[in-house]
Amino acid sequence: QSVLTQPPSASGTPGQRVTISCSGSSSNIGSNLVYWYQQLPGTAPKLLIYRNNQRPSGVPDRFSGSKSGTSASLAISGLRSEDEADYYCATWDGSLSGQVFGTGTKVTVL
Amino acid sequence: QLQLQESGPGLVKPSETLSLTCTVSGASISSSTYYWGWIRQPPGKGLEWIGNIYYGGTTYYNPSLKSRVTISVDTSKNQFSLKLKSSTAADTAVYYCARGFYSTGPKGWFAPWGQGTLVTVSS
Repeated sequence: QSVLTQPPSASGTPGQRVTISCSGSSSNIGSNLVYWYQQLPGTAPKLLIYRNNQRPSGVPDRFSGSKSGTSASLAISGLRSEDEADYYCATWDGSLSGQVFGTGTKVTVL
Repeated sequence: QLQLQESGPGLVKPSETLSLTCTVSGASISSSTYYWGWIRQPPGKGLEWIGNIYYGGTTYYNPSLKSRVTISVDTSKNQFSLKLKSSTAADTAVYYCARGFYSTGPKGWFAPWGQGTLVTVSS
């Protein structure tokens, strides 16, 4: 059972903006950096955002991350069909002394 | 370019030890710049962190698995391994290995990930 809560699904039409939330607590998001991973169907997860809002090279600037208090968000602007995937937030939890993943959000492009 | 490849039995009997190896190519597993981790994903479910091994041999494990898990490094083979004792059907999952980047201590991110290997626990 994950300590980071995400909505199970999100959707939008091509070109729209979609936002995914990640809710945690003071022991995890509230005191640590947040990361986001994208998992395309049938593939391994790939790093999308690190240190709350940094994009690795090769990740389009359509993807952006933010954090406020004990919550974080991932925004996808200009939604494209190839963005259909599962998205996971992650961080460190000081109470557990370990890394934790969010419950995951499936993004569908209508 | 760094690559990670998981290997090991795809079928494990209940109560036996699940053993997997991750072979790292394109980087030295002895580097102090990175750490190495295992993550799993039961079929149709989300990601679950298993544990990490850091430079110098320090390990952190998921508290829910800690009593059954051991992660170790073999620098001579540039590999790291996962052992999970007393397997049950609940351990059936795709197991991923990944490279970790330090950030304010042992709390960083994983990139890249191996392609994953499905392990089924069944008699």
